[in-house]
Amino acid sequence: EAQVTQNPRYLITVTGKKLTVTCSQNMNHEYMSWYRQDPGLGLRQIYYSMNVEVTDKGDVPEGYKVSRKEKRNFPLILESPSPNQTSLYFCASSLNPGTAYEQYFGPGTRLTVT
Amino acid sequence: AQSVTQLGSHVSVSEGALVLLRCNYSSSVPPYLFWYVQYPNQGLQLLLKYTSAATLVKGINGFEAEFKKSETSFHLTKPSAHMSDAAEYFCAVRGGNQFYFGTGTSLTVIP
Repeated sequence: EAQVTQNPRYLITVTGKKLTVTCSQNMNHEYMSWYRQDPGLGLRQIYYSMNVEVTDKGDVPEGYKVSRKEKRNFPLILESPSPNQTSLYFCASSLNPGTAYEQYFGPGTRLTVT
Repeated sequence: AQSVTQLGSHVSVSEGALVLLRCNYSSSVPPYLFWYVQYPNQGLQLLLKYTSAATLVKGINGFEAEFKKSETSFHLTKPSAHMSDAAEYFCAVRGGNQFYFGTGTSLTVIP
């Protein structure tokens, strides 16, 4: 089954404790992206990757890191989480954003930073 | 820069009534536009997309949207609401290598 998977689905952590949210897709998509969803703000793009070893900042990259060492994986790293990073996070992938291809979304990771 | 505006963060309709969710876009080039639906505790699922092939786009679950360049709009409609349509709906536009989402419209269907 074609899908985007994220782990963990739920995470409660404390301020400053480094964490990684994994994202993997099995559709051989070049483009991958991370979003955060907050009430009243919709989805905002954190980082995206056009292909392996190519990443770029989205609209809200502060406090986040990503890497793209393999085509299928795109982990999101929070080196020192803070309470304002409490949010619902989505990973998405697409064949190629240079065309009209839509994004496929993972199920989401709900992160709480205390 | 591209952006989308969704008018109405909450919309309530009676079962069987017309559903109309509004989306206006801002784009300096012919846009690629999308509507996604999000059911509780799930990720986003594509409803339909505009790719300049036709101004009236039909999607899944009986939804359709009409691209109107003169109004910079891409409103989502469904002739007859069903209880299962209750969800959050997002309009999005592709701008360069990024996607920009609206703030979402929560649809409630009243039995």
